[in-house]
Amino acid sequence: DAKTTQPPSMDCAEGRAANLPCNHSTISGNEYVYWYRQIHSQGPQYIIHGLKNNETNEMASLIITEDRKSSTLILPHATLRDTAVYYCIVRETSGGSNYKLTFGKGTLLTVNP
Amino acid sequence: DTGVSQDPRHKITKRGQNVTFRCDPISEHNRLYWYRQTLGQGPEFLTYFQNEAQLEKSRLLSDRFSAERPKGSFSTLEIQRTEQGDSAMYLCASSPPTLSNGYTFGSGTRLTVV
Repeated sequence: DAKTTQPPSMDCAEGRAANLPCNHSTISGNEYVYWYRQIHSQGPQYIIHGLKNNETNEMASLIITEDRKSSTLILPHATLRDTAVYYCIVRETSGGSNYKLTFGKGTLLTVNP
Repeated sequence: DTGVSQDPRHKITKRGQNVTFRCDPISEHNRLYWYRQTLGQGPEFLTYFQNEAQLEKSRLLSDRFSAERPKGSFSTLEIQRTEQGDSAMYLCASSPPTLSNGYTFGSGTRLTVV
């Protein structure tokens, strides 16, 4: 079972920031938080990941709470092409199954014009 | 290198027929994964290769399913005696030895069993 909880859907206006929450209250110290997204009829696309600190790249920012029990993915200026299902995943940093990603149902983000 | 390639993109087959899908990973990636995704669900792990060795198979991978990765390059996933329940998107992904930036997924093969 997925170790994360996400809202099933969210809406965002084009040009505004999209803030996608994720709850991972059972995360352990050796688990990363990863975000992927899946645009219709395509494979999932890696967005960003983090362990403890906030992270930013050209696609998004990841804010992880101090207790690491939740995180927020921020798309600073959402466009129509950001409409997709966004998956929050926790993954072990080491150990026998650290290569495996366990996806939940994700959040369908719809960006409206 | 344009990423992970999967062939075919779509496959319609009659129940009971065998089908084979191919995945070409990113050339320098030694790890290769197969996932299955049904409508409205997230992808589910099927199997994992490190080079040519198949290191894990999910219990979702019944005896009718077999995956190979000869020479540690491309991989094939074969389904024998297809059933309607096999209808799904089959996704392949690859990664380098260090997983820091996650996987790169292909666009998938959509299988419809009629």
